[in-house]
Amino acid sequence: QVQLQESGPRLVRPSETLSLICTVSGGDISSYYWSWIRQPPGKGLEWIGYMYFGGTTNYNPSLKSRVSITGDASKRQFSLSLTSVTAADTAVYYCARGHWLVYYFDSWGQGNLVTVSS
Amino acid sequence: ENVLTQSPGTLSLSPGESATLSCRASQRVTGNFLAWYQHRPGQAPKVLIYGAYRRAAGIPDRFSGSGSGTDFTLTISRLEPEDFAVYYCQQYGSSSFTFGQGTKLEIK
Repeated sequence: QVQLQESGPRLVRPSETLSLICTVSGGDISSYYWSWIRQPPGKGLEWIGYMYFGGTTNYNPSLKSRVSITGDASKRQFSLSLTSVTAADTAVYYCARGHWLVYYFDSWGQGNLVTVSS
Repeated sequence: ENVLTQSPGTLSLSPGESATLSCRASQRVTGNFLAWYQHRPGQAPKVLIYGAYRRAAGIPDRFSGSGSGTDFTLTISRLEPEDFAVYYCQQYGSSSFTFGQGTKLEIK
């Protein structure tokens, strides 16, 4: 049974970089893609991007200039970096596992609320 | 970007009734890569349906998905108290994912 857990700071200052880590326990990490998804307060879900441990990455076009997702297979972790944050980046950030060929997310972390404020 | 519009925004029903939630895409959803999620407050979203109509593991058959192209429906029969939550549709196409804005299913 796969489990995902987000970790990282809960408060980030405007213009700085938001960094989160997702640790994956259980399951195979090489046969899936690994995503970050966020939910601003009172709003819906927004896909940020995904990575595949074989090296492929893909990002939401609206965030592409500020986002990087990388992975460390030996630690069973993947990371999100979002630069130049503003209050609009305040959200609950989820990591999730996705299935190739059918393209849905079957396992999610519990979420990490990140607030951007000075 | 393939924009997903869900309706209604809020649906008020009683336990035991049936719910019909709609998801309309601005462009055809290729391969019918359309999924539905249930999201309860403070919890992670849970996939219910993928591939437009395939029920995810462990999901009761009260939940069913239908549709193709640009119009999709999630039907929940015999509503139980734990079904009252927010529901999102999600599509994949052109190497990108988008979600609908959600339908809140509340107890009448």
